[in-house]
Amino acid sequence: NAGVTQTPKFRILKIGQSMTLQCTQDMNHNYMYWYRQDPGMGLKLIYYSVGAGITDKGEVPNGYNVSRSTTEDFPLRLELAAPSQTSVYFCASSYSPPGTEAFFGQGTRLTVV
Amino acid sequence: GNSVTQMEGPVTLSEEAFLTINCTYTATGYPSLFWYVQYPGEGLQLLLKATKADDKGSNKGFEATYRKETTSFHLEKGSVQVSDSAVYFCALANSGNTPLVFGKGTRLSVIA
Repeated sequence: NAGVTQTPKFRILKIGQSMTLQCTQDMNHNYMYWYRQDPGMGLKLIYYSVGAGITDKGEVPNGYNVSRSTTEDFPLRLELAAPSQTSVYFCASSYSPPGTEAFFGQGTRLTVV
Repeated sequence: GNSVTQMEGPVTLSEEAFLTINCTYTATGYPSLFWYVQYPGEGLQLLLKATKADDKGSNKGFEATYRKETTSFHLEKGSVQVSDSAVYFCALANSGNTPLVFGKGTRLSVIA
């Protein structure tokens, strides 16, 4: 029972570098989400997807890009990393709302120096 | 639009004390309401949910009742334990291709 798998778990980036955070789920969920959680703070929605080929911006999309070419995968791309992107990133998935539970990955802790 | 407001912490309680964490929401239609819990160093996991008015969700001694008249979904537990120390998030899900919406989270610390 893999659920939602995020890689890597930890990463240190230098300012201006780029990277892709991987997220895959094996539950055939149509909804997928990316959130960031700054230290001591709540969750902020970056992007979400309601199905393969469909993505939409959340609350804090600037500096990020996503794609959803398959049901299973929802990678998050950081271009030109900045210190403000230091955070813990969580991927989640669910069946169509409203009554369904969202399942979360274990998170990726990213530090930009 | 959809939004969730929950009481901000941190909340510090002694073991066996009564817990209430307030949560109110704004939404059109008939959303579902959730409480998620995040233990240190982990992702969020579902604690309980309610999908219609007057439903009561319960799990691990925690309860919350979906009150449409007061647009609330307060989390309660009669006797907290040290192991309940975590961050608790109230959340709302609505229909119409809208994303899951979270409150800011409430950090609970329970001391022996």
